[in-house]
Amino acid sequence: GAGVSQSPSNKVTEKGKDVELRCDPISGHTALYWYRQSLGQGLEFLIYFQGNSAPDKSGLPSDRFSAERTGGSVSTLTIQRTQQEDSAVYLCASSLNLGGETQYFGPGTRLLVL
Amino acid sequence: GENVEQHPSTLSVQEGDSAVIKCTYSDSASNYFPWYKQELGKRPQLIIDIRSNVGEKKDQRIAVTLNKTAKHFSLHITETQPEDSAVYFCAASKVQDMRFGAGTRLTVKP
Repeated sequence: GAGVSQSPSNKVTEKGKDVELRCDPISGHTALYWYRQSLGQGLEFLIYFQGNSAPDKSGLPSDRFSAERTGGSVSTLTIQRTQQEDSAVYLCASSLNLGGETQYFGPGTRLLVL
Repeated sequence: GENVEQHPSTLSVQEGDSAVIKCTYSDSASNYFPWYKQELGKRPQLIIDIRSNVGEKKDQRIAVTLNKTAKHFSLHITETQPEDSAVYFCAASKVQDMRFGAGTRLTVKP
């Protein structure tokens, strides 16, 4: 079956512009996660959704970052007024349920802020 | 919150040797411990996982051990092959989130 997909695969933007990253989880997966991976670094947890709800936004790096999920499926991560330090690969993952479940990762969106 | 530490950060072994990567976690409520392999430019892929009610799990050349009392778990790869070269991430999960270690870059020399 179809795995997790993300779009765009690559995004180059100018400093100060807003960007929107999209994640399509595996059908039927109720939990969705966003991570950030800087070049050669580990996986930084940003936010998770259970259904359409994101109970804990404390992992988001700043108030320029926001995320939403609608219909219990597609999620978007929005970065406003991008900065060069936002350059990274943004990975989305989904799991059947929340907690103690295998997370399946999407291919990521490589963001470059010039 | 949960804090996962992973060692070593880099590991180089000769083909055919064993490789061991160790992780410690801080939150005793964590109950699920997956290991992911990430090849260059690709997404992380699950290679093995273990739950807190199990002490050891093996899948062909890969094994994971868990010591809940000491809050550490390890990945063991035997008879390493060049295609095992990648970055390996451990993670500890409880109900609401999963925290990853910083990763170990494994290089298997032919």
